[in-house]
Amino acid sequence: EAQVTQNPRYLITVTGKKLTVTCSQNMNHEYMSWYRQDPGLGLRQIYYSMNVEVTDKGDVPEGYKVSRKEKRNFPLILESPSPNQTSLYFCASSLNGQGATEAFFGQGTRLTVV
Amino acid sequence: DAKTTQPNSMESNEEEPVHLPCNHSTISGTDYIHWYRQLPSQGPEYVIHGLTSNVNNRMASLAIAEDRKSSTLILHRATLRDAAVYYCIRGAYAGGTSYGKLTFGQGTILTVHP
Repeated sequence: EAQVTQNPRYLITVTGKKLTVTCSQNMNHEYMSWYRQDPGLGLRQIYYSMNVEVTDKGDVPEGYKVSRKEKRNFPLILESPSPNQTSLYFCASSLNGQGATEAFFGQGTRLTVV
Repeated sequence: DAKTTQPNSMESNEEEPVHLPCNHSTISGTDYIHWYRQLPSQGPEYVIHGLTSNVNNRMASLAIAEDRKSSTLILHRATLRDAAVYYCIRGAYAGGTSYGKLTFGQGTILTVHP
């Protein structure tokens, strides 16, 4: 079954404590990205990756890092989380750019930073 | 500008067809029209996409106006499980700022009554 798996689904952490949200896909997709969803602001892209070792900033990259060492994995790293990063996060993957092909989304990670 | 315009909300009765409109008057010749939906507490789910011709799949139909300035997502028989937020999104076929990401607006909240 085609899947994008995020972990954890829920996370409560304290300001400044580094955390990683994992994302894995089993479809051999080249393109992966991270979005955050906030009330009234919709979904906004944080970072994307067009292939292994190729990443670039999306619309709201400040405070986040990513890496793409393997095709299937695309972790989102918050080196020093702050309360304004409290949000619902989604990982997505697609065969090519998400403007051109079907994108598959994970179930989401609800992050609370206190 | 990747903007699309959709009604904030629509209502339907179960087992009736639903026509969800979308205006994209500034669309370029190489932009796809995508539709995604998001059920409560879930990640966005791909519904359908098209370029010029009308498209059908197991979930829905997409009718694209001849001038491509508007489109309509058609759910042929609404069920309670179709209650969701529906997003109409422009995406570039190749290159450009909208190739790599999906720019989500506020979408249309569809309510389905039993």
